[in-house]
Amino acid sequence: NAGVTQTPKFRILKIGQSMTLQCTQDMNHNYMYWYRQDPGMGLKLIYYSVGAGITDKGEVPNGYNVSRSTTEDFPLRLELAAPSQTSVYFCASGAGTVNTEAFFGQGTRLTVV
Amino acid sequence: AQSVTQLGSHVSVSEGALVLLRCNYSSSVPPYLFWYVQYPNQGLQLLLKYTTGATLVKGINGFEAEFKKSETSFHLTKPSAHMSDAAEYFCAVSDGNDMRFGAGTRLTVKP
Repeated sequence: NAGVTQTPKFRILKIGQSMTLQCTQDMNHNYMYWYRQDPGMGLKLIYYSVGAGITDKGEVPNGYNVSRSTTEDFPLRLELAAPSQTSVYFCASGAGTVNTEAFFGQGTRLTVV
Repeated sequence: AQSVTQLGSHVSVSEGALVLLRCNYSSSVPPYLFWYVQYPNQGLQLLLKYTTGATLVKGINGFEAEFKKSETSFHLTKPSAHMSDAAEYFCAVSDGNDMRFGAGTRLTVKP
């Protein structure tokens, strides 16, 4: 049971570089989410998707982009990395009914130097 | 948009003592409420959730939480703390679309 898989687990980027954080789920969930976690700040919602082809901004979308071409995949793109984007990123998915919980990946620890 | 406030970023209890982690929410629609636990270097795991019906919900590992609409609260309790309960706990609220989390409470259990 793979669940939600994130790659890579760790990455160091230089300022101005770009990268894509990958997220795949094998539970056929409609809903997918990207969060960032910073110490003492909890998890902040970056973007979410309620189904293939549909995405929406969360609390902190600036500096990020997403796409949802398939039900399984929800990549997060950083175009011009900045030190403020140093964080742990979590992808999650949910079945899409209103009372469902979110299932989380193991996280990607990103450092921008 | 909905929001969550967790009172107390750190809580320390002795093994065997009552655990109480506080959560207050704000939502313009009937909320769906969750408690998650995070162990070091891991993702979040669901402890319990409130959707509709009984306001006292029981979760895994002996935890429970009570939804109090009049107080807009969803506090997490456990009668007797165990060393293995040491972790960070997050309260979350959903309106059926996105899910918002509190800042987290780190629970320390002293022997």
